[in-house]
Amino acid sequence: GQQLNQSPQSMFIQEGEDVSMNCTSSSIFNTWLWYKQDPGEGPVLLIALYKAGELTSNGRLTAQFGITRKDSFLNISASIPSDVGIYFCAALAGGTSYGKLTFGQGTILTVHP
Amino acid sequence: DARVTQTPRHKVTEMGQEVTMRCQPILGHNTVFWYRQTMMQGLELLAYFRNRAPLDDSGMPKDRFSAEMPDATLATLKIQPSEPRDSAVYFCASGLVGSGAQFFGPGTRLTVL
Repeated sequence: GQQLNQSPQSMFIQEGEDVSMNCTSSSIFNTWLWYKQDPGEGPVLLIALYKAGELTSNGRLTAQFGITRKDSFLNISASIPSDVGIYFCAALAGGTSYGKLTFGQGTILTVHP
Repeated sequence: DARVTQTPRHKVTEMGQEVTMRCQPILGHNTVFWYRQTMMQGLELLAYFRNRAPLDDSGMPKDRFSAEMPDATLATLKIQPSEPRDSAVYFCASGLVGSGAQFFGPGTRLTVL
């Protein structure tokens, strides 16, 4: 079945550093989404990508939809303590699986002040 | 501020009892999803509704779980009878057909003793 390989599994960084994480798959997807989940809360949508090659920013966050439609990355610049959390990639295929997101396993981000 | 709401936020019950979780999707959204999140399995899709019609509930144990949308503002997930292995966080998400993006509620943390 469809799987997303998200890496790294965890990151420990100093405040102010930049962060990069990515998701890859052997399958083609039509939409890539990036979520952040804080403890005890639901995932919050950070960025949605709808076109291959698309590069989108949301404040200090930048994400790209890979040109092959099989991967995506998320960058966080100048990290701050409130960036701590679990980041998930998710992707949506077309056709009969429309509507069903496939999720990565998450990247746990820890930011040391 | 449009958000998905879920009740209850926490539920502790004994094995064999019926559990009902409720979700109010974002007004105007026409897709609703139920997910279960555990440390071992991550986010699993249980059921998916489009325009209140169930489209996919293949991820749900049919013998004990049921999902319904009595109207456009309410989705329910029932477990009867509950078992300790059902302990997890259950999320509801809503979206618009054609968008791909899903917006998650804060979740119901279920503990079955």
